[in-house]
This record gives sequence, C-alpha cells and structure tokens, in this order.
Amino acid sequence: QKEVEQNSGPLSVPEGAIASLNCTYSDRGSQSFFWYRQYSGKSPELIMSIYSNGDKEDGRFTAQLNKASQYVSLLIRDSQPSDSATYLCAVNAAGGSYIPTFGRGTSLIVHP
Amino acid sequence: NAGVTQTPKFRILKIGQSMTLQCTQDMNHNYMYWYRQDPGMGLKLIYYSVGAGITDKGEVPNGYNVSRSTTEDFPLRLELAAPSQTSVYFCASSYSGTGGQGEQYFGPGTRLTVT
Repeated sequence: QKEVEQNSGPLSVPEGAIASLNCTYSDRGSQSFFWYRQYSGKSPELIMSIYSNGDKEDGRFTAQLNKASQYVSLLIRDSQPSDSATYLCAVNAAGGSYIPTFGRGTSLIVHP
Repeated sequence: NAGVTQTPKFRILKIGQSMTLQCTQDMNHNYMYWYRQDPGMGLKLIYYSVGAGITDKGEVPNGYNVSRSTTEDFPLRLELAAPSQTSVYFCASSYSGTGGQGEQYFGPGTRLTVT
C-alpha cells in the first residue's frame, strides 16, 4: 500500500512569514512529486512539480525533494492571507507511473 | 481553451437511483481520472484511463463504472446510488510523454448527495 503522509494542521503563520509544509512517502522508487493548492469548496490546482533531488523555486514557492529520506516539502515565502488553503502532496508510483497517491493535505492559515 | 469541464455541479439522488457524471477535456491529454473527496480527506482514485478505449480500476471502484470512447470524454456512471457515495467528485486529466510528467488538471467538481 503506497502511502503519502502529511500533517493535517492547521498550520498557522503570520502574514509575511515563511510557511513550511512537509510530506513523506513510502514508495522508494517514486520519481515525480507534486504540490496542489485547494481553496475551500474548489478543485485542486497544481502549483509545483519536482523530479530531482534538491530545490526548485517558482516565485514565492520553493519545493524541496530528498529521495534518500523520502520526503518532499513546500516553502511559501512572504506568506499572504490569500495563501490560506489546503495543500495536497501527490506522489506518482514507481516505474514511470502517472497514477498518483495523494496525501490528506495540510491546512494553512495565514493571519494578518 | 476550457480545460476540464464537469456536469452537473450539484445533484441530489435518492437511494437506488442511477446517474452519469460527465467530464470533458480539450487539452488532448491521454490520461484521465475520477476521484472522490470526502470531508477532511484526501483524494481517492475511483477509475482512470490511459487513452481512448482503455480504463482501469483505482483504489475505490465499487459501485461505479466508466467508459472512454474518445480522448475528450470520460463519463462516470453510478448504479444503484447509496448514501456512502455522497461525496465531491473530481475529474482530472494529464499528459504523459515529452514535456509531461503527469501534472494533473482538475475540473470544478460535482457535489453529490444521496438520501
């Protein structure tokens, strides 16, 4: 059973701070990792993908991947109230699969 | 470019009724997926398709059926609705191949209540 674990939160940070969201996965051979943002009552929206160990930056978002430790994280710099949402981690199965397993998501609250 | 569209947005069914949730994508993606999301839970994969004419079960397929006769359309059929099927249903698509690693694009969802 492939598992993707996230702390459900809520993670509460003040406006302007760095929010750090973490995800661990069980399938050691996984190659593709994704972060989705889901506002309440809306559908998930892709914000980051990462495939290689290390950091990948896109604007205020940085995804970090460590395959040896089987974790992937998302950092949000200069957090804004509009970043308040649930963040879903998704991991594709090993062997070049395009079938992901999703974590339950971490609720982020950015307060002014 | 509409992306992924789903109909209906909301539906109330009585126990034992049947219905089809429609999903269409205009991005020429080969993969399509159906998920359900219960309150406070992650996404559970119901069925997926790797291309027209090819479908396979996901984690929670019981009580559902799918077909994929075209690249664009991937309807989900509920037979004999049960209260346990009350959920929000999302359709998604992705492209696998050069330039695509399976990033998923989601439709707006269908909120289904079975009473």
